[in-house]
Amino acid sequence: AQRVTQPEKLLSVFKGAPVELKCNYSYSGSPELFWYVQYSRQRLQLLLRHISRESIKGFTADLNKGETSFHLKKPFAQEEDSAMYYCALSGLTGANNLFFGTGTRLTVIP
Amino acid sequence: DTGVSQDPRHKITKRGQNVTFRCDPISEHNRLYWYRQTLGQGPEFLTYFQNEAQLEKSRLLSDRFSAERPKGSFSTLEIQRTEQGDSAMYLCASRDWGRTSSYNEQFFGPGTRLTVL
Repeated sequence: AQRVTQPEKLLSVFKGAPVELKCNYSYSGSPELFWYVQYSRQRLQLLLRHISRESIKGFTADLNKGETSFHLKKPFAQEEDSAMYYCALSGLTGANNLFFGTGTRLTVIP
Repeated sequence: DTGVSQDPRHKITKRGQNVTFRCDPISEHNRLYWYRQTLGQGPEFLTYFQNEAQLEKSRLLSDRFSAERPKGSFSTLEIQRTEQGDSAMYLCASRDWGRTSSYNEQFFGPGTRLTVL
């Protein structure tokens, strides 16, 4: 069965400090991994996915298949990064629906 | 096209009443998904459509829930005989599957928040 674990419900960092949001997953097969973000009073939106291997808004995430992790990192946090972050996975066949973790609320302290 | 839209944004109802939500996906998106999100949880998959065909339903979708996408465009989600446990945010998402890339993004609507008293 698939599972996405985000161990931290809340994370606070100071502006300019590095930030890492943890995500571990279990899936029988090769999933696609995503990070979605929800800013205050906005809809859920895609931040990045492992297959594109790109940096968005300074965030990166590397898929570690050995540790089944997909941690989200940014070297210098900004106040506008304060939001709810969800890690999610999708299978590559069938419905391709998303399985989400419980989310981490990131607060960047000025 | 301003993205996925959902109506209503908020719905308060009494236990036992029926409610219906509507989702308008991004034009030409052939896949449409419904998710449910309860407090403190991430969204959970309910069902999805490929054009007008409902291809999969999760076990979360009890017999009181029914979804349609009659013309392959907008979709409705109906909950009959609502219960307090149905209180949640109901999210709709759409994507363009298969015609350009297998890895197209799911675009989410703003959600309908249901409160069952």
